[in-house]
Amino acid sequence: IQLTQSPSLLSASVGDRVTLSCKGSQNINNYLAWYQQKLGEAPKLLIYNTNSLQTGIPSRFSGSGSGTDYTLTISSLQPEDVATYFCYQYNNGFTFGSGTKLEIK
Amino acid sequence: QVKLLQSGAALVKPGASVKMSCKASGYTFTDYWVSWVKQSHGKSLEWIGEIYPNSGATNFNEKFKGKATLTVDKSTSTAYMELSRLTSEDSAIYYCTDTTPFAYWGQGTLVTVSS
Repeated sequence: IQLTQSPSLLSASVGDRVTLSCKGSQNINNYLAWYQQKLGEAPKLLIYNTNSLQTGIPSRFSGSGSGTDYTLTISSLQPEDVATYFCYQYNNGFTFGSGTKLEIK
Repeated sequence: QVKLLQSGAALVKPGASVKMSCKASGYTFTDYWVSWVKQSHGKSLEWIGEIYPNSGATNFNEKFKGKATLTVDKSTSTAYMELSRLTSEDSAIYYCTDTTPFAYWGQGTLVTVSS
């Protein structure tokens, strides 16, 4: 299964509601996770099974979707959210999206 | 708490092999798969393969069959990945991680292939 993330680069202001998209080439059956990767760090799991928030992750992060289309939403963008965000499917093999780089405007 | 501690950076010559380690702590090592993930410079992530420490069973991304060999040492709770016949395309950061969907990650091992 191939994953296509959009946009590849997103610039937004502090406090904005931000939406990142991930589209699969086949049905993912909700086996979709999101990771945040800051410069020089390992990826951090934010969301798994489409909409389950990983322990310790702020509630401003949420996930939704079904079938082939999934979304990560940040309800109020914070400066510390600057990072690259990857989606990942584990329904059929294991594949990652190409990432969305999020920056502050 | 769960920790995955990886070996340090390696500089290796083209055609050679490299073996890296991932020492697990804070959980029962033999009960969970260990995966390896490749991140080329500035690029996305690729799942390489996984190993089940209790049995040594492995699964691989087709792309990395013949390139990566996964082993474990249960006595030290350490997983290993060896990459063979290295080329510049193998220069990357390699992460070990736990069972999908990968809540825990090592800090990464940078491999540079250069003569």
